[in-house]
This record gives sequence, C-alpha cells and structure tokens, in this order.
Amino acid sequence: DIVMTQTPLSLSVTPGQPASISCKSSQSLLHSDGKTYLYWYLQKPGQSPQLLIYEVSSRFSGVPDRFSGSGSGTDFTLKISRVEAEDVGVYYCMQGIHLWTFGQGTKVEIK
Amino acid sequence: EVQLVESGGGLVQPGGSLRLSCAASGFTFSSYEMNWVRQAPGKGLEWVSYISSSGSTIYYADSVKGRFTISRDNAKNSLYLQMNSLRAEDTAVYYCARVGGGAVAGTFDYWGQGTLVTVSS
Repeated sequence: DIVMTQTPLSLSVTPGQPASISCKSSQSLLHSDGKTYLYWYLQKPGQSPQLLIYEVSSRFSGVPDRFSGSGSGTDFTLKISRVEAEDVGVYYCMQGIHLWTFGQGTKVEIK
Repeated sequence: EVQLVESGGGLVQPGGSLRLSCAASGFTFSSYEMNWVRQAPGKGLEWVSYISSSGSTIYYADSVKGRFTISRDNAKNSLYLQMNSLRAEDTAVYYCARVGGGAVAGTFDYWGQGTLVTVSS
C-alpha cells in the first residue's frame, strides 16, 4: 500500500501570510501514461472535503489562484500565497495511482 | 447542479448490519465511477470502496473486504454500501464521492454531505 505522509500536521498562520504543506508518498506517483496522480483537498469545519488541486498543480474549477501545487515523483507541496480566513480547515493530499490513499491531514488555523 | 445525498446511517450493535444509500442527481449517474470514503470521529479520510460506471469492476480497502459490498442501480441513480459484521472501528461518517471525468478523471470531484454510522452496544 502507498503511504502518504504530510508535514506539518498543524499550522497557525497570520492572515495575508503564506503557508506551505508538504506531502511525501512511499512510492512514485508518476504513471506510465505521463500523469502524476497526486491531489489536494480541503475539508472546512463541518463540511465535506472539496477538491483543490488535481495532478499535482492544476487548480479545480473555482479554486482561487492563491492556491498552487508543485512537486514530482514522491515529493509534493501545496502553497497558499496569502492565507485568508476562509482557508481554515484540514488539508489532505491523496494519491490515486494505486487505488486511493490520503495523508493524515494538516490543520490550518488563523492566528 | 451535482448532488449526492447519503442516507441510512444510524446506531447499530457490533456484529450487526446496515445499508447505506447515496442518491445522485444533476449528472448522468450511469456514466460515472463512484466511491465510498469514511472518516472516523476526529480522524482523517479513509477510502473504502470503488465501483465502475457499469458495476462490473469493484475494489475494497483491506479493512472492509469480505464484510462490505458496494453496488449501484443506474436506473435509480443510486449507490449503495451493504455493511455486515460491523465493528466498533467502522464507526465513521460515510461519504459517497464521484470520480470526475475529463481532466479530473481519477479523483473525487464531488462529495455528499455524509451519513454517520455508529457501531456500539
């Protein structure tokens, strides 16, 4: 099974400041079809998860451009350029190359 | 508008059974693969089961294999999860989630609001 490891597990950020979350997979997420099956989700308090980023760096419909994803192989990063109050919640990375596995989640709160 | 509405959760004793349903609307249900994902109280997300658009291909997480059965009725736009031999560790909110098409094929683009299953005596 592919293990996804996120760091840090919690983050306290001043509004307007950047934030960064790391995600490492136990195996490469690069498929022979050339795609890398790494995704990012945000679960806001009391809500269902919502897709932010697909295939490492592509923003899903309606996702603000302050969110960006990067990385390759086994190391990935989600960055928020300027954190806003509405960005609080738990962020999860997920692999989709072999079934699906989520990271433990990173809780982001506002200072 | 895509909508996924789960139902069927509740309190059940260890060893008991429960059947969850997910009613889909706002899209052509028969064209999309579907999944169940769960979240134990205060914990992270765990993928549970997958079913292809026709129902011919099914996968399960090891934690539920042999106890849970996923199915779908495309005529009724509905997804199901039959849960047998329930254990305390199955206590969670269960979400149905659609596998996206096109550029987001391979991930879950829409999720329901979830239904809570509590396994306790």
